[in-house]
Amino acid sequence: ETGVTQTPRHLVMGMTNKKSLKCEQHLGHNAMYWYKQSAKKPLELMFVYNFKEQTENNSVPSRFSPECPNSSHLFLHLHTLQPEDSALYLCASSHSFDRLSGNTIYFGEGSWLTVV
Amino acid sequence: QKEVEQNSGPLSVPEGAIASLNCTYSDRGSQSFFWYRQYSGKSPELIMSIYSNGDKEDGRFTAQLNKASQYVSLLIRDSQPSDSATYLCAVQGYNFNKFYFGSGTKLNVKP
Repeated sequence: ETGVTQTPRHLVMGMTNKKSLKCEQHLGHNAMYWYKQSAKKPLELMFVYNFKEQTENNSVPSRFSPECPNSSHLFLHLHTLQPEDSALYLCASSHSFDRLSGNTIYFGEGSWLTVV
Repeated sequence: QKEVEQNSGPLSVPEGAIASLNCTYSDRGSQSFFWYRQYSGKSPELIMSIYSNGDKEDGRFTAQLNKASQYVSLLIRDSQPSDSATYLCAVQGYNFNKFYFGSGTKLNVKP
């Protein structure tokens, strides 16, 4: 079983649809992240949660809405997306921010999103 | 200014050679440094972490860190075709709830 699991792996949605991406981590971590990876661009940090509290929103449009009900689960709710939002969305987790050394971020396998 | 910069490549090396990948970062207070490997269509996979100046070796991989010069490098000895991938440099900033990633260097190892 992988440490960070994302579903669905592939999603095609219309611009008027509402869908959600789900992430679950089994590593005992307390911090969770959403990253966006578009072609030929660096990984873009979207949101960070630490102990279920959002600590970072990197100027993400409101059509992306995160939810973190507990330290093991993270969702990304999607509505009225644009074609340029098509990308690989990566969930990740790490130990909480009070551990300065040895803090490593682990990724799920990603959800490929296509907006048509 | 980008937080983490890498040469996008592609870097082509023959099988058995040493591949050298470089990365510079802008946040002088950065604490932790990582190299990830990403195969096409897959998610990034951690291969090395380094926290103090100097070299750290793990099998065929050696990470090098120079905080004074703000650069990190990754050496891959005896490169194999299976090493062909994009290598991402990541830096955990002084504001340690953020991990910054470079855009990656594509490595091609030719048989």
